[in-house]
Order: sequence, then structure tokens, then C-alpha cells
Amino acid sequence: AQKITQTQPGMFVQEKEAVTLDCTYDTSDPSYGLFWYKQPSSGEMIFLIYQGSYDQQNATEGRYSLNFQKARKSANLVISASQLGDSAMYFCAMRASGTGFQKLVFGTGTRLLVSP
Amino acid sequence: DAGVIQSPRHEVTEMGQEVTLRCKPISGHDYLFWYRQTMMRGLELLIYFNNNVPIDDSGMPEDRFSAKMPNASFSTLKIQPSEPRDSAVYFCASSLFGSRDYTDTQYFGPGTRLTVL
Repeated sequence: AQKITQTQPGMFVQEKEAVTLDCTYDTSDPSYGLFWYKQPSSGEMIFLIYQGSYDQQNATEGRYSLNFQKARKSANLVISASQLGDSAMYFCAMRASGTGFQKLVFGTGTRLLVSP
Repeated sequence: DAGVIQSPRHEVTEMGQEVTLRCKPISGHDYLFWYRQTMMRGLELLIYFNNNVPIDDSGMPEDRFSAKMPNASFSTLKIQPSEPRDSAVYFCASSLFGSRDYTDTQYFGPGTRLTVL
């Protein structure tokens, strides 16, 4: 079965500092995709970044990067130069070929609070 | 391009009433997903469609829930009769299989916050 684990219920960071949000996954499928979504207090789910299991390089999207360690089955999100607007819930999710490739399994989320 | 559109954004109803949530996916997307989010259970996939055909409804909680997709641009999630434990945020998402960036990313609508009194 596919599973996503986010062990940090909450994280605090000061503005302009970098922060890492942890995500570990469990799957026996060789082909899978990992996603991070942001959910601000307004409630919408915003796609941030994607990493494929066969990608050779870590994904980056602006201030977001994904620290992908395949052997450790971890896909941590790194936010550089945090901004007040980064305060939100962050969800890690996985899609794998074994249980219907289009289905996403979500972690429980990490609440990030950025302070001035 | 317009994103996923959901209506209504908020719905307050009384127990026993029928509730219908609506979703318009991103034009050209061939997959549509319905999720439910609660504090207790997090994000749960209820059902998803491919080319308007239901593929997996194993997440639908019980017979009170039903979903349809009569065409590529419209889907409904119906709860009849509604119960207080159905109170949650319901998200619709859509994706394109074989997307140009190979990610098949799901894009979410703004959600419908349902309160059943």
C-alpha cells in the first residue's frame, strides 16, 4: 500500500530564512510521482512542485525545491527566503502505478508559520 | 485559462436535505476527482472519473453519496439525505493524462464548505 508520512505537525520560521518540511513515502512501485501542495487559510489547494521517481535531478520551482533522496524514500520540501505569505498548511502527496496511477495519496500535512 | 470551478462555495443545510455540489474541470482535462477534507480524516479521495466514466468509487462513504459526470465539462456530487457528519470541505480536481510536462498534476478547485445542521 502507498503511504505518505509527514511527521512535523507544525513548523516555525523567521522571514527570509529557509525551512525544510519533511515527507517520507512508502511504495513498492518503481514508477511514482511526488507532489507538494500548499493550502493557505483561505482553503484552496495550490500545486507547488513535482518530482518523478526517475528524475535524475531534484525539482525546483522558484523558491521551492525538493530534496529527493530515493534510497531513503524521502521528498522534503525546501522553501528558501521565507515570506509571510508562505504561512499555510503544506501537504505531500504521492501517485504510484500500483493502485491506479492517477490516484493521489496525501500526508497529514505540516502547518508552517512564518514570523516577521 | 480558467481553473477548476466549484459551486456553491458555501452550503448550509439541515439534516435530511439533499445537497448537490457542482464542478467544472479545466477544459481539456480527462480526469476528474472528488475529495473530502475533514480535521479528523484529512484529505480523502471519494471517486474519480476518466473521460466521464467512473473508475474508482471505493472512497464513497455510503449509498447516500452519488456522483455523476454527464459530460466532459460538468460533474456533480450528491448527498441524499445529508447528515451532520457529512460536514466537510469538498474539493473537485482535474488532470490531463499524458500532460505535456509528464506530471499529470491534479489541479484543485476552491472547494465547497458544507455544513449540515
